[in-house]
Amino acid sequence: AQSVSQHNHHVILSEAASLELGCNYSYGGTVNLFWYVQYPGQHLQLLLKYFSGDPLVKGIKGFEAEFIKSKFSFNLRKPSVQWSDTAEYFCAVKGSGGYQKVTFGTGTKLQVIP
Amino acid sequence: KAGVTQTPRYLIKTRGQQVTLSCSPISGHRSVSWYQQTPGQGLQFLFEYFSETQRNKGNFPGRFSGRQFSNSRSEMNVSTLELGDSALYLCASSLGGQAVSYGYTFGSGTRLTVV
Repeated sequence: AQSVSQHNHHVILSEAASLELGCNYSYGGTVNLFWYVQYPGQHLQLLLKYFSGDPLVKGIKGFEAEFIKSKFSFNLRKPSVQWSDTAEYFCAVKGSGGYQKVTFGTGTKLQVIP
Repeated sequence: KAGVTQTPRYLIKTRGQQVTLSCSPISGHRSVSWYQQTPGQGLQFLFEYFSETQRNKGNFPGRFSGRQFSNSRSEMNVSTLELGDSALYLCASSLGGQAVSYGYTFGSGTRLTVV
């Protein structure tokens, strides 16, 4: 069975600080990986995704993530956060091939202080 | 194009009652997945429907069921409600097939409160 771990449950940063949110997954095969974001009062939306090719993927709003297969990791990064990045971030994994479900982590709440 | 529409937005039910939630996916999307979101638990997978067939099922009791209609609209039903069923229920649509690799589009959810 596949699983996702997000070790940081709550992160507080000042504006302009750099961000890295950890995501580790468990699955014995090829995976598709996602980061979703949920801004306060809004629905979940896709931030970025990886399913093949360049392990460094770029998403919306300056976010990027790097897939490191040997570490089963897909950490989310942003060089300089803004107050508007305050949100909850969810990492998700789907085993590729066949009809696999998408498994989400428990989320990381990011609070950016002006 | 219209997004994923979930109705109702809010529900308050009493223990023991049953409830039906509805989801209309994006036009052209044939796959609908349902998740339960609670604080600290994140999103727990309930089930996925594709072309009216349940393709995947999560680890929820049989009180949770769903179906999908020929127009891809989906409903989920929870019978004999328990206090622990209070949660935000999210519907996510995708093209289907292998195209879930392109990511979900989520609805705003139905907030269910069981009293």
